[in-house]
Amino acid sequence: DAKTTQPNSMESNEEEPVHLPCNHSTISGTDYIHWYRQLPSQGPEYVIHGLTSNVNNRMASLAIAEDRKSSTLILHRATLRDAAVYYCILRDVIGRSSNTGKLIFGQGTTLQVKP
Amino acid sequence: EAGVAQSPRYKIIEKRQSVAFWCNPISGHATLYWYQQILGQGPKLLIQFQNNGVVDDSQLPKDRFSAERLKGVDSTLKIQPAKLEDSAVYLCASTLRISPGQVMNTEAFFGQGTRLTVV
Repeated sequence: DAKTTQPNSMESNEEEPVHLPCNHSTISGTDYIHWYRQLPSQGPEYVIHGLTSNVNNRMASLAIAEDRKSSTLILHRATLRDAAVYYCILRDVIGRSSNTGKLIFGQGTTLQVKP
Repeated sequence: EAGVAQSPRYKIIEKRQSVAFWCNPISGHATLYWYQQILGQGPKLLIQFQNNGVVDDSQLPKDRFSAERLKGVDSTLKIQPAKLEDSAVYLCASTLRISPGQVMNTEAFFGQGTRLTVV
């Protein structure tokens, strides 16, 4: 699976927007970009995913660069409950490059939200 | 909709003892994963099942770890004998059936995990 690079940690103030970057320079044309987050003492939870176009859902927005070599997860108004580790993960078509559909996690970005 | 259920939430054992974890995935989810998460690291896949068949167990330390999903629903992960370095959170996840050629536009659902401490 292609690798992603994320900053180890970021800080934000409550009620301000947060932009979490992810670099994936070796992304293939069929890789979906997925974001998961892990709250303290919880399992990871799905946040959002996209292929080429920007995506919005109730939790966040995903902005994908035109060349798809990077993406940004946007939390529009950070709350204290958004403090978590955010993982950017590439998921390819099943069967390509021996992909079985598993999620391969990196270190992620630890987001701290200050009141 | 009920989520992925795991038990127990916490377990403390002495090294060389054995331990088992249980996972009940979301109803209808054919694919089940077990992950190990050591403190400060991202989760690492141990084994992946599709129904009751093993899809990927390349990262499972087979000399001490075993897992089964006999009826294609619940799964158990066992460690025997445990070592100090097995102290971690063990996460179970499930997703709908995965087929060759399928694009990955579906999400995986994780349980809360079992925190294992080996002393």
